[in-house]
Amino acid sequence: DSGVTQTPKHLITATGQRVTLRCSPRSGDLSVYWYQQSLDQGLQFLIQYYNGEERAKGNILERFSAQQFPDLHSELNLSSLELGDSALYFCASSVSEGAFYGYTFGSGTRLTVV
Amino acid sequence: DAKTTQPPSMDCAEGRAANLPCNHSTISGNEYVYWYRQIHSQGPQYIIHGLKNNETNEMASLIITEDRKSSTLILPHATLRDTAVYYCIVTGGGNKLTFGTGTQLKVEL
Repeated sequence: DSGVTQTPKHLITATGQRVTLRCSPRSGDLSVYWYQQSLDQGLQFLIQYYNGEERAKGNILERFSAQQFPDLHSELNLSSLELGDSALYFCASSVSEGAFYGYTFGSGTRLTVV
Repeated sequence: DAKTTQPPSMDCAEGRAANLPCNHSTISGNEYVYWYRQIHSQGPQYIIHGLKNNETNEMASLIITEDRKSSTLILPHATLRDTAVYYCIVTGGGNKLTFGTGTQLKVEL
């Protein structure tokens, strides 16, 4: 157990639907990062939050949004889902705003869009 | 962040040392070398990082050349459980880690 909790572990939904993925960071970590891993794209950085504020944005689609709440957990919202959104979604956390102290990753949410 | 180059795949016999190379010829003075690994479909796992001195922990050793243009991750006694994709990442500790395609290490009996 890495200390980063992601729920649900698996999610199957239909095209056009909306889902929410949840991440609880390791105790004491203030930063949360979201990554998408599909078969042909590798690990792609989506977005980072630090202590409730957005800090960096990567290749995140406009249909996707995220937020970090006062208790530091984060949610990634995916809407108008397409088949190509099927992927593993990982959350990572770190104690600082940057990568210096390393990231701790969760076990991921496997999203299947049918 | 500096670009890294890793071989796409490597094989290693169980019990032998696995030496995974990484080239990062454009690394700048304030950038660190990080290694992560990802065992099939699990979340990536931090292994080790260093600036210019060699580093060792319970998982691995990191050897960085004097000019810092390349490094080698050493798993001293590889086991079947070390089969994974290994990512070498160079970053100045900025806001995010950028993962490349890594090296698929296969440890065999």
